[in-house]
Amino acid sequence: QSALTQPPSASGSPGQSVTISCTGTSSDVGGYNYVSWYQQHPGKAPKIMIYEVSKRPSGVPDRFSGSKSGNTASLTVSGLQAEDEADYYCSSYAGSNNLEVFGGGTKLTVL
Amino acid sequence: QITLKESGPTLVKPTQTLTLTCTFSGFSLSPSGVGVGWIRQPPGKALEWLALIFWNDDKRYSPSLKSRLTITKDTSKNQVILTMTNMDPVDTATYYCAHRYDFDYFFDFWGQGTLVTVSS
Repeated sequence: QSALTQPPSASGSPGQSVTISCTGTSSDVGGYNYVSWYQQHPGKAPKIMIYEVSKRPSGVPDRFSGSKSGNTASLTVSGLQAEDEADYYCSSYAGSNNLEVFGGGTKLTVL
Repeated sequence: QITLKESGPTLVKPTQTLTLTCTFSGFSLSPSGVGVGWIRQPPGKALEWLALIFWNDDKRYSPSLKSRLTITKDTSKNQVILTMTNMDPVDTATYYCAHRYDFDYFFDFWGQGTLVTVSS
């Protein structure tokens, strides 16, 4: 059982927006602004898409955005494109004894 | 350019000890403010954070696996080694190593991963 809860699936048509949630507790998501989101295509290593809740690394399209409210973080993908179809994992800092925890992953399907 | 690559056995027997090596380039662990972590992913399942070692030899472990894990570094060879004792079929997974800075809380560069199967 993963520490952070994500919906197993999400979907949207090309051009639409989709939001994926990531729910934790006050000991992880709610306690720190260190939520990250990774994209993983089949057979590939994860790729960082969002860090520190809402920051985008260089090269990540601005169609990807992140936010947080209380114990729940969210990843929004706007203007869906076929190449956005992938698994998405959230991650959060969880204190010095349990450094980081991942979510269970969400499979994003572009219809 | 930062690259990492995992190496080790593809098949181990139950109760054996797994030793994985992460060989990296494009950065150094002495001293540089960086860290290398290990993350695994069972087939069709989620990522699981395992362990992390920093340039100053600070080490962190997943609480649930701490008794079975050891992470070390060989700075001269640009390698980080992970050992996991008492392997079980549920430990079958792709094991990734990844780079991060010690002031960050995310992994920015990942290896390609290596699949380890635990079976008799």
